[in-house]
Amino acid sequence: SAVISQKPSRDICQRGTSLTIQCQVDSQVTMMFWYRQQPGQSLTLIATANQGSEATYESGFVIDKFPISRPNLTFSTLTVSNMSPEDSSIYLCSVEDVLAGRETQYFGPGTRLLVL
Amino acid sequence: AQKITQTQPGMFVQEKEAVTLDCTYDTSDQSYGLFWYKQPSSGEMIFLIYQGSYDEQNATEGRYSLNFQKARKSANLVISASQLGDSAMYFCAMRPISGSARQLTFGSGTQLTVLP
Repeated sequence: SAVISQKPSRDICQRGTSLTIQCQVDSQVTMMFWYRQQPGQSLTLIATANQGSEATYESGFVIDKFPISRPNLTFSTLTVSNMSPEDSSIYLCSVEDVLAGRETQYFGPGTRLLVL
Repeated sequence: AQKITQTQPGMFVQEKEAVTLDCTYDTSDQSYGLFWYKQPSSGEMIFLIYQGSYDEQNATEGRYSLNFQKARKSANLVISASQLGDSAMYFCAMRPISGSARQLTFGSGTQLTVLP
């Protein structure tokens, strides 16, 4: 299965600042996904990032707040801009991969963000 | 649109016993995949098991099995011989198999506690 790493693993930030989260995969993948998990909640998709095209954002998420880059098939970044305490969450990237001939979806270890 | 319902916010099980975590779903897609993930307190999302809607047999992965009842739209996770390390949050998720929408839709999760 794909091995996914994320940087940073956690951070504490001041409101009004921005943080860029990196996601690196050990193999080439077409689709990468960014999810947010607020405290005590389930996962919510922020956007889908395909290489060579603009990211597709879900309702409630906008590019100005969560700009995404996808420069190649193994890497993506998510920036959380102009942060507020409500942005305190775990941010996870995810990729599709094939396991035993079936497509499944794997997650990175996540980035824990606390905004003060 | 897809919806996943997990009605058990918390579950307790004695070590070495089996436990069933409930998951029901709703979708208009003809072909879809059902997933279970484990999230320990560290925050990472660990893929456990996958069931395709077209699979005639229930999926099994070691101590995990998926009780798939298509007519009832249920995909319950069965963990046999529970271990203390199984204590975690468990999420049921689904996505369509065909089409461009490849992202997962998650349930609200079940917090499992294994008692010694």
